[in-house]
Amino acid sequence: KNEVEQSPQNLTAQEGEFITINCSYSVGISALHWLQQHPGGGIVSLFMLSSGKKKHGRLIATINIQEKHSSLHITASHPRDSAVYICAVSNFGNEKLTFGTGTRLTIIP
Amino acid sequence: NAGVTQTPKFQVLKTGQSMTLQCAQDMNHNSMYWYRQDPGMGLRLIYYSASEGTTDKGEVPNGYNVSRLNKREFSLRLESAAPSQTSVYFCASSPSRGTGSYSPLHFGNGTRLTVT
Repeated sequence: KNEVEQSPQNLTAQEGEFITINCSYSVGISALHWLQQHPGGGIVSLFMLSSGKKKHGRLIATINIQEKHSSLHITASHPRDSAVYICAVSNFGNEKLTFGTGTRLTIIP
Repeated sequence: NAGVTQTPKFQVLKTGQSMTLQCAQDMNHNSMYWYRQDPGMGLRLIYYSASEGTTDKGEVPNGYNVSRLNKREFSLRLESAAPSQTSVYFCASSPSRGTGSYSPLHFGNGTRLTVT
């Protein structure tokens, strides 16, 4: 089974700071997802990628297949970015998703 | 456009009671999923339905049953609830047929279930 590790587990930053959240996995994958879980509990899909980089607004996701690592960056962070960010990987073979335990991000005004 | 709708939002059961969690999506998605989320653990797949008329076990299926009633609806049943089933349950859907790996997932708002 693929092991998915996220770091840091918790991150507190000031508004406006550049944020990086990391995700590492142990076995080759076919796709990687980044999800956002709001304080109220709802989960939203942010990105799905299998190579390179994707950008949506202030969010950027990158993946390095050789190093088995992905990063989620937030530029000009805002208190509304406060949430838990979850990484999930799709495994070759059975294609089921394995989820990380999440990074709790708090942005202070 | 409601997306994925789950009911109820909260439920308290006594050990041995049964209940059904309802899920409906209005996006004409092919695949639907039930996950549970426990503290300190990632989301875990209970059951999924890759297309209307099919269901398959996920990672933690014991103690649960599912029904894909039609393309829109996918219900999760606990026949005899146990304290170990205390969790937050999420329904999700995706347009692709399969385990959801190649399309973004759309999640419901979750059901917080407590079994005493």
